[in-house]
Amino acid sequence: DVVLTQSPLSLPVTLGQPASISCRSSQSLVYSDGNTYLNWFQQRPGQSPRRLIYKVSNWDSGVPDRFSGSGSGTDFTLKISRVEAEDVGVYYCMQGTHWPRTFGQGTRLEIK
Amino acid sequence: EVQLLESGGGLVQPGGSLRLSCAASGFTFSSYAMSWVRQAPGKGLEWVSSFTSGGNTYYTDSVKGRFSISRDNSKDTVYLQMNSLRAEDTAVYYCAKTGQFDSWGQGTLVTVSS
Repeated sequence: DVVLTQSPLSLPVTLGQPASISCRSSQSLVYSDGNTYLNWFQQRPGQSPRRLIYKVSNWDSGVPDRFSGSGSGTDFTLKISRVEAEDVGVYYCMQGTHWPRTFGQGTRLEIK
Repeated sequence: EVQLLESGGGLVQPGGSLRLSCAASGFTFSSYAMSWVRQAPGKGLEWVSSFTSGGNTYYTDSVKGRFSISRDNSKDTVYLQMNSLRAEDTAVYYCAKTGQFDSWGQGTLVTVSS
């Protein structure tokens, strides 16, 4: 199975400051069609998860452009340019290239 | 607008069975894979099963032989039949659209306890 390792697991951030979460995969996430199915999810307290970014760097509908995804192969990053109060929650990377689908452990973002 | 509405959760004894349902709307259901993802209390997300639009089914190892996913395209509904339930199956079960989980339901809580 593909193991996704996120860091850090806890991320205290001052409002208005940037934040960055790393996701490293135990194997390449490039699919046979040439796409890399690495997605990012946000789960606010008490809510269902919501997909933010798909295929490494594509925004889902309604996602603020302060969120951005980057990376390739086995090394990926989610960045928030300026953290807002509504960004508090847990962030997960997930790979949709291989079966079984797997998630990272989650990164808890909190406001300092 | 995509909507996914899960139902069927509840309290069940170890060894018991439950069937979860997820009613979908807002998209052409038959054209998309559907998935189940669970979250144990205070834990992270765990993919459970998927049913592709082409009829293939996939399961995480811990539920193989116990859980069965199915879909009724005439009712725009996907199901998860859960048998031989264990305490470690206790979780909120989410229905998600596609194998990339682009939309999620609100979840239904399954508690396995005596």
